[in-house]
Amino acid sequence: EIVLTQSPATLSVSPGETATLSCRTSQIYRSLAWYQQKPGQSPRLLIYSASTRATGVPVRFSGSGSGTEFTLTITGLQSEDFAIYYCQQYNNWPWTFGQGTKVEIK
Amino acid sequence: QVQLVQSEAEMKKPGASVKISCKTSGYTFTSYSIHWLRQAPGHSLEWIGFFNAANGYTKYSEKLQDRVTLTIDTSATTAYMELSSLTSKDTAIYYCARPGTYSPLDYWGQGTLVTISS
Repeated sequence: EIVLTQSPATLSVSPGETATLSCRTSQIYRSLAWYQQKPGQSPRLLIYSASTRATGVPVRFSGSGSGTEFTLTITGLQSEDFAIYYCQQYNNWPWTFGQGTKVEIK
Repeated sequence: QVQLVQSEAEMKKPGASVKISCKTSGYTFTSYSIHWLRQAPGHSLEWIGFFNAANGYTKYSEKLQDRVTLTIDTSATTAYMELSSLTSKDTAIYYCARPGTYSPLDYWGQGTLVTISS
């Protein structure tokens, strides 16, 4: 099973600043997605194929990377962006998720 | 619009089974698979398996394959997940989710809380 390691576990950021989240794993080419989850809600797909924004996702969310290291960047954080973010690989079965990065208000 | 609506919360005793439904609408049911995932309190997401509604193919996580059964009712455009021999470690929110055309898990149900307690 492919293990995904996200860092940091918690990221304290002020509104308007940029948040950079990391996801490291073994070789998965570009089969990586990012999800946002707010308390009491289902996850929401933000990014797939490492860098493609899902429908309706604001341009302030961007993904990059390939192979074993991936990054989610949120530029100009807004109040609604404070949440937990998970990376997920879908290159191999079983699909697996990272442990999450909580983005909190500084 | 695509919607996945799950059944209500369940409370079960250890050793029992639970069956959760996922009613879909807004798309051609047999054109996409349905995946099932779960999230224990305070934890990340765990993939359980999927049912390909186009051809009936199923795939399960090795961890749960001996206890989980995924089925569908095409006429009702509904997917089901049954988990047997429940223990307290199965307490979690269970989600159904549907991929997009090129994306992994684009649409999600609202989640079903399953609580295992004696």
